[in-house]
Amino acid sequence: EADIYQTPRYLVIGTGKKITLECSQTMGHDKMYWYQQDPGMELHLIHYSYGVNSTEKGDLSSESTVSRIRTEHFPLTLESARPSHTSQYLCASSDPIPSHEQYFGPGTRLTVT
Amino acid sequence: AQSVAQPEDQVNVAEGNPLTVKCTYSVSGNPYLFWYVQYPNRGLQFLLKYITGDNLVKGSYGFEAEFNKSQTSFHLKKPSALVSDSALYFCAVRDSGYALNFGKGTSLLVTP
Repeated sequence: EADIYQTPRYLVIGTGKKITLECSQTMGHDKMYWYQQDPGMELHLIHYSYGVNSTEKGDLSSESTVSRIRTEHFPLTLESARPSHTSQYLCASSDPIPSHEQYFGPGTRLTVT
Repeated sequence: AQSVAQPEDQVNVAEGNPLTVKCTYSVSGNPYLFWYVQYPNRGLQFLLKYITGDNLVKGSYGFEAEFNKSQTSFHLKKPSALVSDSALYFCAVRDSGYALNFGKGTSLLVTP
């Protein structure tokens, strides 16, 4: 098992609430990622970071924001949750070149009612 | 843009039979290709990768994949399927940065 952790694993929350999904890794990786996984299985990149104080938006537009103040920590925040945010969120980090391998956390399944 | 396609939503195979999960790719330059597996309520687990070298790549749990440049394919294979292999399988390609672009996934069902 990779040393990358996500909390909570499951979250049911009402519309309009602010939530933060936590992601931490103990491998010292500079590069970290957030993916959103649709109920129909497909994964889409929503945020990535190449190191401390570096964050970028991914291919899929998302109303969430991220921060990278420490190497090991890459939290994702939704200021005002909506039912359209219901999804599974997967965090990952990757080995440096030349491995390129990504390690995934167990995911957070978010339901917004 | 770097992309992969998985043409099958589901693959069914009997236990003990060989299995193949298909993936084709579209890239500019040399591809960095990956296979991941996802079990229920779990994150993705790395199976194998192709970056350079031998076209036949061996990975975890007895899986292997064959890189075919002329057919732009990277099919996942296993000589003898197990019921415990039933899961979602994702093919992926590294994009121009370092993130992965995933296929839509293939559900593998191995029946006893």
